[in-house]
Amino acid sequence: AQSVTQPDIHITVSEGASLELRCNYSYGATPYLFWYVQSPGQGLQLLLKYFSGDTLVQGIKGFEAEFKRSQSSFNLRKPSVHWSDAAEYFCAAYSYNTDKLIFGTGTRLQVFP
Amino acid sequence: DADVTQTPRNRITKTGKRIMLECSQTKGHDRMYWYRQDPGLGLRLIYYSFDVKDINKGEISDGYSVSRQAQAKFSLSLESAIPNQTALYFCATGSDNQETQYFGPGTRLLVL
Repeated sequence: AQSVTQPDIHITVSEGASLELRCNYSYGATPYLFWYVQSPGQGLQLLLKYFSGDTLVQGIKGFEAEFKRSQSSFNLRKPSVHWSDAAEYFCAAYSYNTDKLIFGTGTRLQVFP
Repeated sequence: DADVTQTPRNRITKTGKRIMLECSQTKGHDRMYWYRQDPGLGLRLIYYSFDVKDINKGEISDGYSVSRQAQAKFSLSLESAIPNQTALYFCATGSDNQETQYFGPGTRLLVL
């Protein structure tokens, strides 16, 4: 079955430290891949997406993600985290076969000063 | 103004009551979706609609119904609310041939 896995439920980092959030997908063919962020009390905001082409994609708020076909991964990174990045992050995948967007279970990021 | 709006933003109701959550969008998208979010489970699809005459069940449609009143409006109803329907509900839109979905701010529902 098609699925998206975010292995880390909760991550804590210090402000200014680098960040990597993991995402793995299980699909027959490479799906379209997305990262969304949900700030406390807010809806989901699209950070970035990968459809094809360059495997390193840039998003908003200084985030980037790298698609690695060999590892079925689409990890989100930021070189220096700010306190305002504290939020929940969701990886999602879309396949034309199912015509649906499937979400991972989310990773909650906590940032210490 | 927000592109996707949801009303109400918060709702407390009692078991057995019928409630409706509403979603409106100004993006001009044909596709609309209802999801629920539960801690540790991510977002799960309840219903979706690809145009006004098209309604489809999602992953967890039992206990819910929907109405697509117009291209811009998509309502979710709980005919007889139960406590395990306590969750955060999101509406989303998407255009044809565009896989990106755009989300509303969510409705937090508590069923007592």
